[in-house]
Amino acid sequence: EVQLVESGGGLVKPGGSLRLSCAASGFTFSSYSMNWVRQAPGKGLEWVSSISSSSSYIYYADSVKGRFTISRDNAKNSLYLQMNSLRAEDTAVYYCPRGEDAFDIWGQGTMVTVSS
Amino acid sequence: QSALTQPASVSGSPGQSITISCTGTSSDVGGYNYVSWYQQHPGKAPKLMIYEVSNRPSGVPDRFSGSKSGNTASLTISGLQAEDEADYYCSSYTSSSLVVFGGGTKLTVL
Repeated sequence: EVQLVESGGGLVKPGGSLRLSCAASGFTFSSYSMNWVRQAPGKGLEWVSSISSSSSYIYYADSVKGRFTISRDNAKNSLYLQMNSLRAEDTAVYYCPRGEDAFDIWGQGTMVTVSS
Repeated sequence: QSALTQPASVSGSPGQSITISCTGTSSDVGGYNYVSWYQQHPGKAPKLMIYEVSNRPSGVPDRFSGSKSGNTASLTISGLQAEDEADYYCSSYTSSSLVVFGGGTKLTVL
């Protein structure tokens, strides 16, 4: 079964850091671009970052550039998002969908809450 | 990176057809045939319904169709069913090699 499972979310204070993980299974992870997309409570979807299959190309939304770092380990079938200098407005469910211009597989998401 | 513009809500009765618009610019929707549509039920992850403007992934009913004219893309759902009630989001590839989503449209089946 093709599956993505996000983990690593939790409660963190403003200015703090958190590392999210996304475990992939059921497909050849190393062949696909991967992404992070977030959704604040009661709000719409926001694209956060993308990484190509071999990590050659990496892109960020302006809202997280300089604070978040996307990476992947194809040997471990895993995607990561290192989040530093967290702000209240980063509070959201974070998803790690598969794909380049269309996101065809999504996990259940992991909740990140930034609050003092 | 401005969000694409969608109507906040649309509604229709069972069996009817509805269309959701998604307006961008020549740097995103109008410049590329990489518009996607996602359906999201409350508390669930989004589901890809349309990719590359008008293509349906396997398993998506043919009641769902997509199109584009200029800087505006559209999702049409024909033969509306109760289970179609959900939030719908469009997205587009952009000239900056980024992805931008629309603000979302809440579909109510009356």
